Amino acid sequence: GIQVEQSPPDLILQEGANSTLRCNFSDSVNNLQWFHQNPWGQLINLFYIPSGTKQNGRLSATTVATERYSLLYISSSQTTDSGVYFCAVPPGGGADGLTFGKGTHLIIQP
Amino acid sequence: NAGVTQTPKFQVLKTGQSMTLQCAQDMNHNSMYWYRQDPGMGLRLIYYSASEGTTDKGEVPNGYNVSRLNKREFSLRLESAAPSQTSVYFCASSDNRDTEAFFGQGTRLTVV
Repeated sequence: GIQVEQSPPDLILQEGANSTLRCNFSDSVNNLQWFHQNPWGQLINLFYIPSGTKQNGRLSATTVATERYSLLYISSSQTTDSGVYFCAVPPGGGADGLTFGKGTHLIIQP
Repeated sequence: NAGVTQTPKFQVLKTGQSMTLQCAQDMNHNSMYWYRQDPGMGLRLIYYSASEGTTDKGEVPNGYNVSRLNKREFSLRLESAAPSQTSVYFCASSDNRDTEAFFGQGTRLTVV
């Protein structure tokens, strides 16, 4: 099945800093999602972005499908941005569902 | 518009007990999914239902059964719970496998 690798695994930043999270995947995809899992365990949809660039406030994402990676940008970080960020793609081979990376654990310190 | 609703939110079981996790969505989605999340890991697919009346195994189906009761509801059953099934369980739905998926708030299950 498809392999999804996220980097870095852990990131500690001061409030106000910018960050870039990366997601590499091993095969072509027609669906890619970014999620934020907050400290209470909720999974929040950030972007559905199989290709191209999208922006939502301080967050933006870019997927370069031909090169098999996606980037999530967080600008002017706030403490509420803390949590785990996951990317997920279809497993391939015609199978359903999503294959998740192991996530980037982000801590924003005041 | 509640999205995806899971019950219960928390559950403690003894080894060998059975239970059913319930999931309902109000977005008129065709596909529904059950995932589990273990500490420090991403979610892994247990079972899915691409449409009413169909179910298929995902990556980690052993020890579980599912029922797609109707278009709205998809339940996950543990017939004889084991400590290895201690996890957080998420239900999700989407219009189809190539569209955006939405997740419930999760069920934290502990098997002692």
